[in-house]
Amino acid sequence: GDSVTQMEGPVTLSEEAFLTINCTYTATGYPSLFWYVQYPGEGLQLLLKATKADDKGSNKGFEATYRKETTSFHLEKGSVQVSDSAVYFCALYQAGTALIFGKGTTLSVSS
Amino acid sequence: EAGVAQSPRYKIIEKRQSVAFWCNPISGHATLYWYQQILGQGPKLLIQFQNNGVVDDSQLPKDRFSAERLKGVDSTLKIQPAKLEDSAVYLCASSALGVTDTQYFGPGTRLTVL
Repeated sequence: GDSVTQMEGPVTLSEEAFLTINCTYTATGYPSLFWYVQYPGEGLQLLLKATKADDKGSNKGFEATYRKETTSFHLEKGSVQVSDSAVYFCALYQAGTALIFGKGTTLSVSS
Repeated sequence: EAGVAQSPRYKIIEKRQSVAFWCNPISGHATLYWYQQILGQGPKLLIQFQNNGVVDDSQLPKDRFSAERLKGVDSTLKIQPAKLEDSAVYLCASSALGVTDTQYFGPGTRLTVL
């Protein structure tokens, strides 16, 4: 079945460092891909999405590009802030099915 | 626009007891989802409703879990009797009709079964 694999955490960075969180997927067909963020004590929030190959999703300085050839959707940010500390989930969706999430990657940013 | 509301936020029960969670989706959203998020894992779909009909409940442990969505708005998820392995965060999400790839999540209910 379809699945999502994310890099293990936690990821610990200093403020203004460059962030990459790797995500790869396995799917039949052509899924839409998502990054969700979960701040402490809050629900999941959609961070960005891409619906077809080579699309780039972006929001709040975060970016991810849908790479069909490598089945990847890596999350990047050029300069992280303390307020970016959260758990990040990669997910895929195909019509008629449920959202399928990775296990999540915890990001901790220190000042 | 108000988001997805859930209550209670936290619940602690003994095993074999019953518990119920409530969800109020975003106004006008036809599709409602319940997810289970076990510590250290991503959310897993338990059940999906469209209006008041069930679309997918293939992952719902029907011997102990039940859910309903009366009148196509609010929903309740019940566990009876609870087991230790049911300790998790239960997330409710909703989406607009025909836009099921964009789901909005509530804050969740953290259940601890002792």
